[in-house]
Amino acid sequence: AQSVTQLGSHVSVSEGALVLLRCNYSSSVPPYLFWYVQYPNQGLQLLLKYTSAATLVKGINGFEAEFKKSETSFHLTKPSAHMSDAAEYFCAVSATGGGNKLTFGTGTQLKVEL
Amino acid sequence: DSGVTQTPKHLITATGQRVTLRCSPRSGDLSVYWYQQSLDQGLQFLIQYYNGEERAKGNILERFSAQQFPDLHSELNLSSLELGDSALYFCASSVFNSPIAGELFFGEGSRLTVL
Repeated sequence: AQSVTQLGSHVSVSEGALVLLRCNYSSSVPPYLFWYVQYPNQGLQLLLKYTSAATLVKGINGFEAEFKKSETSFHLTKPSAHMSDAAEYFCAVSATGGGNKLTFGTGTQLKVEL
Repeated sequence: DSGVTQTPKHLITATGQRVTLRCSPRSGDLSVYWYQQSLDQGLQFLIQYYNGEERAKGNILERFSAQQFPDLHSELNLSSLELGDSALYFCASSVFNSPIAGELFFGEGSRLTVL
């Protein structure tokens, strides 16, 4: 079975500051990892995904994430936060043989302050 | 706009009742996934259909059922509703059978309130 743990249900940063949202995974087979974003009153939107091609994955809106097997982590970063980045972010995992499931973490609410 | 349409957007009903949530996937997408999002449980996978057939099952209660029709739209039926069923129900669609193979596109959800 696969699972992800997101550390910090709420993160607050200043506009222009670094954004770091943490995600650790657990999987008995090589995982596929995803970050999704949910803006208020909207559905989830894919930011980026890791499929074993490259450990540093670049996504939309300036976000990127690095797969670190030794740390079982897939943290999401953005060098400079913008007010429009305020949203809830979900890390998710899937795996071959995982039954077509995409398992989500509990989410991290990002607040961006002036 | 993801292209996935869910109706109704909001639904208020009483305990013991039955409701049906509808999802129209993006044009050309064969897979439909249903998720339940609540404050205490987070995002929980319920069930997946691919081209009319059930392909994966998650934490779906026996009181809940779903199907995908020949035109590929899907319905999630919730019966004998309890207060704890109050949640946001998302539908997502994809061209592929697996979330590994391709992106899932989510609708805006159906918010169910059980009183």
